[in-house]
Amino acid sequence: DQQVKQNSPSLSVQEGRISILNCDYTNSMFDYFLWYKKYPAEGPTFLISISSIKDKNEDGRFTVFLNKSAKHLSLHIVPSQPGDSAVYFCAASLGWGMRFGAGTRLTVKP
Amino acid sequence: DSGVTQTPKHLITATGQRVTLRCSPRSGDLSVYWYQQSLDQGLQFLIQYYNGEERAKGNILERFSAQQFPDLHSELNLSSLELGDSALYFCASSPSRYTEAFFGQGTRLTVV
Repeated sequence: DQQVKQNSPSLSVQEGRISILNCDYTNSMFDYFLWYKKYPAEGPTFLISISSIKDKNEDGRFTVFLNKSAKHLSLHIVPSQPGDSAVYFCAASLGWGMRFGAGTRLTVKP
Repeated sequence: DSGVTQTPKHLITATGQRVTLRCSPRSGDLSVYWYQQSLDQGLQFLIQYYNGEERAKGNILERFSAQQFPDLHSELNLSSLELGDSALYFCASSPSRYTEAFFGQGTRLTVV
């Protein structure tokens, strides 16, 4: 079930710079998208979401962009902080049944 | 603390056995999801219930089953366990559709 794909297993950025995490999906019927952050030995925690009727949603340092024609969404973190180091998962749903990508491990170096 | 409680936290069992994982959702949340995460891989969606009814099904094996009870807690039953079933099993809950889900800490299942 590869409906949601995160093709970059890892990303390393310098503190203070922008982190851009990418996600692609195959099912054009998905209408709700989310990003989660996960630390080791913990459950994922919700970061930010976006409905398919929007193309951008912002919450503090986190912004999610949705490009429906390309079936692509991205998460921008500005500025990146060492505490942002974690695995980031994107997820997509049709309202029911949230599917996750494989995750991208972000490392923010001081 | 997300408010979602999963028990037990750890479980070690032998191949061929059957286990039950339990999830108590956040107060007021009607929807419960189950996910499997193997070896630091992605979260594989298993199944979702809403107010006692199955709403979506993912890659759940026939040896696995789940249900949501009238008090909204949910159980995931895994039978005829194989070594490959060793994984972290997460439960999440949400109040309705088109809202974020909140995850529990997971149950780590080890099949030996």
